[in-house]
Amino acid sequence: SQTIHQWPATLVQPVGSPLSLECTVEGTSNPNLYWYRQAAGRGLQLLFYSVGIGQISSEVPQNLSASRPQDRQFILSSKKLLLSDSGFYLCAWSPPQHSNQPQHFGDGTRLSIL
Amino acid sequence: GQNIDQPTEMTATEGAIVQINCTYQTSGFNGLFWYQQHAGEAPTFLSYNVLDGLEEKGRFSSFLSRSKGYSYLLLKELQMKDSASYLCAVSPFSGGYNKLIFGAGTRLAVHP
Repeated sequence: SQTIHQWPATLVQPVGSPLSLECTVEGTSNPNLYWYRQAAGRGLQLLFYSVGIGQISSEVPQNLSASRPQDRQFILSSKKLLLSDSGFYLCAWSPPQHSNQPQHFGDGTRLSIL
Repeated sequence: GQNIDQPTEMTATEGAIVQINCTYQTSGFNGLFWYQQHAGEAPTFLSYNVLDGLEEKGRFSSFLSRSKGYSYLLLKELQMKDSASYLCAVSPFSGGYNKLIFGAGTRLAVHP
């Protein structure tokens, strides 16, 4: 069966520091991968998605970037964090080439910027 | 533009039935998903509708009317553990990936 791992679970970072959040998927090949951010009491905002290695689509202009160095690895990064980057970050995957399949989420990373 | 509307909050009594509505206006339509999200946790998939009508899964059912841009999630025999946020999400595009547009979610509180 497929599993998705996301870490760390919680992170407290000072303003201006770098960020790296990692997500890996097991049990499937060539998954579609997604990064979302959820502000407190709000819906999920899609940040990036990827349909293959090295292929990244950005949904909103922001202080963040994403990379997919391996088939089942998706990384969210920032060079300098802003206060507004605080939130709950979720990685998700869905089967390749099927737009009617649900996305499955990792446990999320709660990021607090001080 | 893309717009998905849900009520912000609802309350219900244990053992009762509750209906959570979702209306959407999107540039395309390739299916509607419902997710459950407990506080501080990740969303989990509940149901998927792409054709008009009712899909039933145990205590949970989901209905879709594409002509009205409308869906609802019906929860029967409510339990305390059903207290959570319920997210409606639309897939506007067909193709090789599933880019979902999420509503802000409906926070459901179940009382004894």
